Amino acid sequence: SQQGEEDPQALSIQEGENATMNCSYKTSINNLQWYRQNSGRGLVHLILIRSNEREKHSGRLRVTLDTSKKSSSLLITASRAADTASYFCATDAANEKLTFGTGTRLTIIP
Amino acid sequence: GAVVSQHPSWVICKSGTSVKIECRSLDFQATTMFWYRQFPKQSLMLMATSNEGSKATYEQGVEKDKFLINHASLTLSTLTVTSAHPEDSSFYICSAQGDQPQHFGDGTRLSIL
Repeated sequence: SQQGEEDPQALSIQEGENATMNCSYKTSINNLQWYRQNSGRGLVHLILIRSNEREKHSGRLRVTLDTSKKSSSLLITASRAADTASYFCATDAANEKLTFGTGTRLTIIP
Repeated sequence: GAVVSQHPSWVICKSGTSVKIECRSLDFQATTMFWYRQFPKQSLMLMATSNEGSKATYEQGVEKDKFLINHASLTLSTLTVTSAHPEDSSFYICSAQGDQPQHFGDGTRLSIL
């Protein structure tokens, strides 16, 4: 399987703390993207980082990419209860098909 | 932002029924649409890729006669689960792509009794 892996599988933190989740993948990529999925819903695109980029910010989100290690991390700062969701990384190669990681279930405790 | 509408959001039907799921891009033209399947607490698995006006490309292990895909226009793709059985029960999600990134529908929960 070409599916990437994420860790941790599940993460519970107090509201206001930072949450970090990691993604590893197996093949060369064009882009890596992070998505959020609320329970029973579709996916919401959070951020895209290109293979020639090392770090990207969007609001409270910070994404890093290390192509030499085939890994990425997503940091959510100052977490809120509304951040409770599953987070997936997804990589795409030349054919534009996305390969999703296994996901991290994040729970923010109020 | 770009909106993808998926309908219905929830279906319960008897075994042997065929079920059609629609995926529409509401404010952009989608040259490519993707259909995914997701089991509880698992990741999304790509089932097929559809391009407007051509036959869908199915991933290995996905039965094309079981999961019929039609992409008749740049804003609409449909997935029909034919003669559905309980093992077809799952969460089906579509996505549409014009430019990057892919935009996802809200999913359809299919329950076959």
